[in-house]
Amino acid sequence: QKEVEQNSGPLSVPEGAIASLNCTYSDRVSQSFFWYRQYSGKSPELIMSIYSNGDKEDGRFTAQLNKASQYVSLLIRDSQPSDSATYLCAVSRLTGGGNKLTFGTGTQLKVEL
Amino acid sequence: EAGVTQFPSHSVIEKGQTVTLRCDPISGHDNLYWYRRVMGKEIKFLLHFVKESKQDESGMPNNRFLAERTGGTYSTLKVQPAELEDSGVYFCASSQRRVETDTQYFGPGTRLTVL
Repeated sequence: QKEVEQNSGPLSVPEGAIASLNCTYSDRVSQSFFWYRQYSGKSPELIMSIYSNGDKEDGRFTAQLNKASQYVSLLIRDSQPSDSATYLCAVSRLTGGGNKLTFGTGTQLKVEL
Repeated sequence: EAGVTQFPSHSVIEKGQTVTLRCDPISGHDNLYWYRRVMGKEIKFLLHFVKESKQDESGMPNNRFLAERTGGTYSTLKVQPAELEDSGVYFCASSQRRVETDTQYFGPGTRLTVL
């Protein structure tokens, strides 16, 4: 079992719709959860972080965390063509050695006109 | 403020050769991480520096990989000798504090191709 699992997609949604991206993780000790967006050939860019159960909203983005179910999701409202990218879910926990991120393989999102 | 920079952006070498990748973190960031993405796989952690000290090398594949961060500023990752399976994109990230909530900022990556 992978430590962080995501559906690779592609997930296609029409412009203006809500895109829902999901991620599950296996390490119950994980405490921090991140969503990175990566355009082709570019660096991963942090768009949301969440640390507590529940929802966290930032503009068109909402992250949802359920630690009991080991599940984290990202909702993108009013999807735009510029949202087309790969979305990477990452988790971390602080250990004696540092704060390394464990990534999923990413979900490719395509927002169609 | 300049972001994380990496050099070169692309490198094509033959099996058995040596390659050195460089990362310049954001100024003032004590934490520097190296990650690698092999084709079709997820981004995987390689190692973590705090200033010039290696805090966690658990992700380094083998002793053909050597990372340094002299003076606690930029870092280099040397692969010697390179093998075919070393091909991938090598990312560097930096962060300011060593806490779980700290944001890691990624560089654009170095695409390494070993022929």
